[in-house]
Amino acid sequence: DIVMTQSPDSLAVSLGERATVNCKSSQSVLYSSNNKNFLAWYQQKPGQPPKLLIYWASTRESGVPDRFSGSGSGTDFTLTISSLQAEDVAVYYCQQYYITPVTFGQGTRLEIK
Amino acid sequence: QVQVQQWGVGLLKPSETVSLTCAVYGGSLSDYSWSWIRQPPGKGLEWIGEINHSGSTNYNPSLKSRVTISVDTSKNQFSLKLTSVTAADTAVYYCARGRLTRTYYSDSGTYYNTYYFHFWGQGTLVTVSS
Repeated sequence: DIVMTQSPDSLAVSLGERATVNCKSSQSVLYSSNNKNFLAWYQQKPGQPPKLLIYWASTRESGVPDRFSGSGSGTDFTLTISSLQAEDVAVYYCQQYYITPVTFGQGTRLEIK
Repeated sequence: QVQVQQWGVGLLKPSETVSLTCAVYGGSLSDYSWSWIRQPPGKGLEWIGEINHSGSTNYNPSLKSRVTISVDTSKNQFSLKLTSVTAADTAVYYCARGRLTRTYYSDSGTYYNTYYFHFWGQGTLVTVSS
């Protein structure tokens, strides 16, 4: 299985500041046939299911605010929130879908400083 | 707009069987692939398995010996059974709709699909306790 490791485990950022979450895969999730990174990001608020934010490492899902962006390639990826809002408090997960079983990172808890 | 309703027994004793159902409304079950994903309290997410648009199933090898996913197309529902449960199976269980990203073949000729998940049910808490 591909192991997904996120850092940090928790993060406190001031409102309006930038928040960065990192995700590292144990093997590359870049598919050479289409040059796409098989990596998604989710946001999970308490008591709710995860919500898809980004797929193909950098494509925002419809309706997701543009303050959320994804970057990276191969084994190292980043989710950035450019200007933290109060409603962004949540746990964020990365997921690889390069091979079965698809696997998730352990999560990064984002709080307001 | 697609909606789902999940239900099942929430409290089980060790060695019993988890039995959950996810009903899909506002769309055909067979238009997409559907997965079960679980999340132990305070922990991360684990993909359990899928039933795809052709009715074929695929399971996480870590759970494969205990898992069955089945479909009832007449009711637009699919179900999860997980046998011989222990406390480690205590989790919120989600049904989720996947967007197919690629299909590939193993050396033995088995095909596998991969997905990210763009629609999730609300989840059902299953607690295993003696």
